[in-house]
Amino acid sequence: DARVTQTPRHKVTEMGQEVTMRCQPILGHNTVFWYRQTMMQGLELLAYFRNRAPLDDSGMPKDRFSAEMPDATLATLKIQPSEPRDSAVYFCASGLVSGAGELFFGEGSRLTVL
Amino acid sequence: AQKVTQAQTEISVVEKEDVTLDCVYETRDTTYYLFWYKQPPSGELVFLIRRNSFDEQNEISGRYSWNFQKSTSSFNFTITASQVVDSAVYFCALSEAWSGGSNYKLTFGKGTLLTVNP
Repeated sequence: DARVTQTPRHKVTEMGQEVTMRCQPILGHNTVFWYRQTMMQGLELLAYFRNRAPLDDSGMPKDRFSAEMPDATLATLKIQPSEPRDSAVYFCASGLVSGAGELFFGEGSRLTVL
Repeated sequence: AQKVTQAQTEISVVEKEDVTLDCVYETRDTTYYLFWYKQPPSGELVFLIRRNSFDEQNEISGRYSWNFQKSTSSFNFTITASQVVDSAVYFCALSEAWSGGSNYKLTFGKGTLLTVNP
C-alpha cells in the first residue's frame, strides 16, 4: 500500500534551533507539496514541486524556510532559525499531474518550538 | 484570489442521522476543481472526491453524496445515515485548472469538525 512517509512525526525544539522535516513521496508521483496546518490559519500551502523543480514557494517565509527535492524520493523542509510561531503540523503530499486529481497526504510532522 | 468558506465550524449529530456539510467558494477562473478531504483523528488527509467546474452532475458514493451548484458557488457534502467512524474534520478545497487538469495548488476551507455520537 503506497504511502507518503514523513519524518519526524513529532519534534519539540527550542527557539533558534534548526529543524529539518523529510518526506518520501509515493514512487512515481511527480508533484510534491508542503502544507502547514494551524488552528488559526488552517491549511496553508508553503511550497510546491513538479518533477523536482520548485514551482511555487510564495507561501513560505523566505528568510527562515527553505524547501528542496534532492532527488525524486526525498523532499525536505528546513526552518532555520525556528520560532515559536512556527509551531504547527507540516504535511507533505504527492500526486500525479496526469492523475485523477487526488493528492496523497502523509501523516504530518507536528512541530513544537518552545 | 480564490477563497473557500465552510461556515460550519462544528457539527454534532447522533448516529444514523443525515448531515450536510456546506462549502461555498469564490474564484475568477472559469475552469476549476473542487475537492473534499477527510481528516480523521489519526491526522492524515484522505481524498474523497474531485469535481471539475463543467460537471454539475451530483455524485453519490455509498452513504456519501455531493451537490455542486455553480449558480450559488456551492459544493455541499451529505452523509446519509451517519456512523461514529464518520467523525472527523472535513475540508472543502478549490484549485485552478492547469493544462487540462488540476494543478493541485489547493486552497482549503477552514474545515468542519463532525462528531457523530452513538
